[in-house]
Amino acid sequence: SQKIEQNSEALNIQEGKTATLTCNYTNYSPAYLQWYRQDPGRGPVFLLLIRENEKEKRKERLKVTFDTTLKQSLFHITASQPADSATYLCARFSGGYNKLIFGAGTRLAVHP
Amino acid sequence: NAGVMQNPRHLVRRRGQEARLRCSPMKGHSHVYWYRQLPEEGLKFMVYLQKENIIDESGMPKERFSAEFPKEGPSILRIQQVVRGDSAAYFCASSPRTGTDTEAFFGQGTRLTVV
Repeated sequence: SQKIEQNSEALNIQEGKTATLTCNYTNYSPAYLQWYRQDPGRGPVFLLLIRENEKEKRKERLKVTFDTTLKQSLFHITASQPADSATYLCARFSGGYNKLIFGAGTRLAVHP
Repeated sequence: NAGVMQNPRHLVRRRGQEARLRCSPMKGHSHVYWYRQLPEEGLKFMVYLQKENIIDESGMPKERFSAEFPKEGPSILRIQQVVRGDSAAYFCASSPRTGTDTEAFFGQGTRLTVV
């Protein structure tokens, strides 16, 4: 089956460092991957979308890469701040565009 | 432009009662998705609707759950004869179109507690 997997262990980093989160996919090649942020008790918020022919995409302190050989997307937050602490989800639409499928998410904690 | 509105934010039901969750998509959005999230777990797809049509309900339990998106008014997720295992956060998302490059806009969710 087509899967999208994220590291379930929480990532703890020091303020100012770069956080790197991983999203792996198996058994298919998505044309696009999306990244969302979810804070406790709130709905996910869209951050970035990257196409398979884009190796890298940036938005302020955020950077996403897409490696179709490794079947992996990396999500980076540079100069991390405590306010970046949240759960980050990667997602892609299934075939037929009927379902936006999410990974389990990785919780990031940025410590002052 | 108001975001996706879900209500109620919190809903408490006794076992056996019915729960009705409402979702008003963003203006101009005709595609609605419902998800369920258990504590410390990811978002599980339930159903995808367009106006007046259920397009994909492959994530919906076969019994007790139903969804609609009428021509007028909000989308409704209905759970009949609720059980404790239905306790979860239910999120609705909307989008203006379909396609793999389409982002989804989420509401703040309805937290259902079955007692």
